[in-house]
Amino acid sequence: NAGVTQTPKFQVLKTGQSMTLQCAQDMNHNSMYWYRQDPGMGLRLIYYSASEGTTDKGEVPNGYNVSRLNKREFSLRLESAAPSQTSVYFCATKTSGGTDTQYFGPGTRLTVL
Amino acid sequence: QKEVEQDPGPLSVPEGAIVSLNCTYSNSAFQYFMWYRQYSRKGPELLMYTYSSGNKEDGRFTAQVDKSSKYISLFIRDSQPSDSATYLCAVGGSNYKLTFGKGTLLTVNP
Repeated sequence: NAGVTQTPKFQVLKTGQSMTLQCAQDMNHNSMYWYRQDPGMGLRLIYYSASEGTTDKGEVPNGYNVSRLNKREFSLRLESAAPSQTSVYFCATKTSGGTDTQYFGPGTRLTVL
Repeated sequence: QKEVEQDPGPLSVPEGAIVSLNCTYSNSAFQYFMWYRQYSRKGPELLMYTYSSGNKEDGRFTAQVDKSSKYISLFIRDSQPSDSATYLCAVGGSNYKLTFGKGTLLTVNP
């Protein structure tokens, strides 16, 4: 089992370009999350999907959109990238019920020039 | 006031030392308490999970929660160079979300 996978691993964009970060999980978890991690800021929640068919804003949603394509996949889209979106992006998943533990992917390092 | 406060360090200790990492939180509604370890350029991985006050031990690691003081700790005994990483505390309630501390960078020197 791969767990949580993210593509791409690295990306460089120019200001104004768009891109989609992909996340897939084979853990059969219901909930999926997108975070960004910046030096000195910790992990901040961008969007989450408590279950297939639902999405909700997190702490820092501006400039991003998400799609919960199916139970396995949750994508994050930057429509018009800005230098302030330079960050490391992590996808995470959680099963419903039981513990609240989240399982993270390896991350995507994004640089916006 | 931030929901979760964590001293960012950095913390540098010699091999074999006992390490103490701490977080405070502000919302008494939080019910779940976790510690994640994050190696450089990797995703966070769950290290310890607890939902009650008291101590939980797993090998060299002990998680401690004091709900009355809203204080959580992680102790690492006999620290090893392989423990060098950033440690993130996280707290959760019943709303599907976790709130993370900013992380403490730990270096264990051989």
